[in-house]
Amino acid sequence: AQTVTQSQPEMSVQEAETVTLSCTYDTSESDYYLFWYKQPPSRQMILVIRQEAYKQQNATENRFSVNFQKAAKSFSLKISDSQLGDAAMYFCAYRTPQTGANNLFFGTGTRLTVIP
Amino acid sequence: DTAVSQTPKYLVTQMGNDKSIKCEQNLGHDTMYWYKQDSKKFLKIMFSYNNKELIINETVPNRFSPKSPDKAHLNLHINSLELGDSAVYFCASSPHITRTGNEQFFGPGTRLTVL
Repeated sequence: AQTVTQSQPEMSVQEAETVTLSCTYDTSESDYYLFWYKQPPSRQMILVIRQEAYKQQNATENRFSVNFQKAAKSFSLKISDSQLGDAAMYFCAYRTPQTGANNLFFGTGTRLTVIP
Repeated sequence: DTAVSQTPKYLVTQMGNDKSIKCEQNLGHDTMYWYKQDSKKFLKIMFSYNNKELIINETVPNRFSPKSPDKAHLNLHINSLELGDSAVYFCASSPHITRTGNEQFFGPGTRLTVL
């Protein structure tokens, strides 16, 4: 079974600084998808970034980028130029490409605080 | 023009009652899901439906039953509610299952409190 581990329950960052959130996962599959979701106090789950395992290039979305290390099964999220609106719970998630199994396996989340 | 909507957003009820949470998506997606987020914020899949057929059913008590009247709706019925059912329940949807990393779009969540 796939498991996703986020070892940092809480992180904090000064506004305008950079922070990295860690995520590791366990799988025997070679092809899969990884996601970072953000959950602000409003509870809404918002996709931040996604990575396809067969792509070696790290995904980037504006101030958000990932460091995908397939051999190490590591998928960290880097937030640059942190803003107050980045404060939220961040969840790492794994999805198998197998047909009929489209659900996400989530980590336990990291609560990010942005300090003005 | 909400993509995935859930009703109600808050639900407070007594132990032993039967309740339903409704979910609707207007994205034309083929697959819908229900997730449970416990008090420690852990999110876990409960069900997924593809074209009105249950394709994954995790180890969820049979007191929980998803019902999909059509492709745009996936309602969650819960019988004989227990204290441990208190959680936030999220509905989500995604396009037809393919090998691409399709994003799942989440609803706003329903906070269920069982007294």
